[in-house]
Amino acid sequence: DTEVTQTPKHLVMGMTNKKSLKCEQHMGHRAMYWYKQKAKKPPELMFVYSYEKLSINESVPSRFSPECPNSSLLNLHLHALQPEDSALYLCASSRGTGWEQYFGPGTRLTVT
Amino acid sequence: AQTVTQSQPEMSVQEAETVTLSCTYDTSENNYYLFWYKQPPSRQMILVIRQEAYKQQNATENRFSVNFQKAAKSFSLKISDSQLGDTAMYFCAFMDSNYQLIWGAGTKLIIKP
Repeated sequence: DTEVTQTPKHLVMGMTNKKSLKCEQHMGHRAMYWYKQKAKKPPELMFVYSYEKLSINESVPSRFSPECPNSSLLNLHLHALQPEDSALYLCASSRGTGWEQYFGPGTRLTVT
Repeated sequence: AQTVTQSQPEMSVQEAETVTLSCTYDTSENNYYLFWYKQPPSRQMILVIRQEAYKQQNATENRFSVNFQKAAKSFSLKISDSQLGDTAMYFCAFMDSNYQLIWGAGTKLIIKP
């Protein structure tokens, strides 16, 4: 089973809203990732969690706040976003940080 | 800095034909991993195939195979007997020594009926 699930599939939010994206995997993977993807571009790495600890933060603005409550769950809390933050947000997981990554279906975020 | 180049922005072939997508990369490392991912219009990024640089044998996965030329730093993907469901954006990716993926710009592949 190589399934990573993400909710919601679509999200529309205003610039003053607070919302959260959720990612879940039950493959026993110990590394989880958040990526941002603009149309027709490759994914851009935002955050990496390894063994539930934040190991990489790619200079992402503080309006994005990741959280890893346990080894199966990864959240991305959103606050005071800008229209340019509209994108597809992908979650991925891997056995460890040196292994192939498996991606979820993504959340399409629109900021109005 | 490590880079990955996919020189074909878009390709289209007839169903059942064989198609090869090119990928070159630049690195000074000796041990690394290379990947091909596909992203259909449904948008889920799917792992197609993986190659370890220390392995001389080219990886294969059913209709998908790679031609890995380490000295030339080339990693092309061959799709045999192409199917309509192969229509997707294909990304080549290199895993660096920090275990981060360096992505190519992608090739949009269209399979025509």
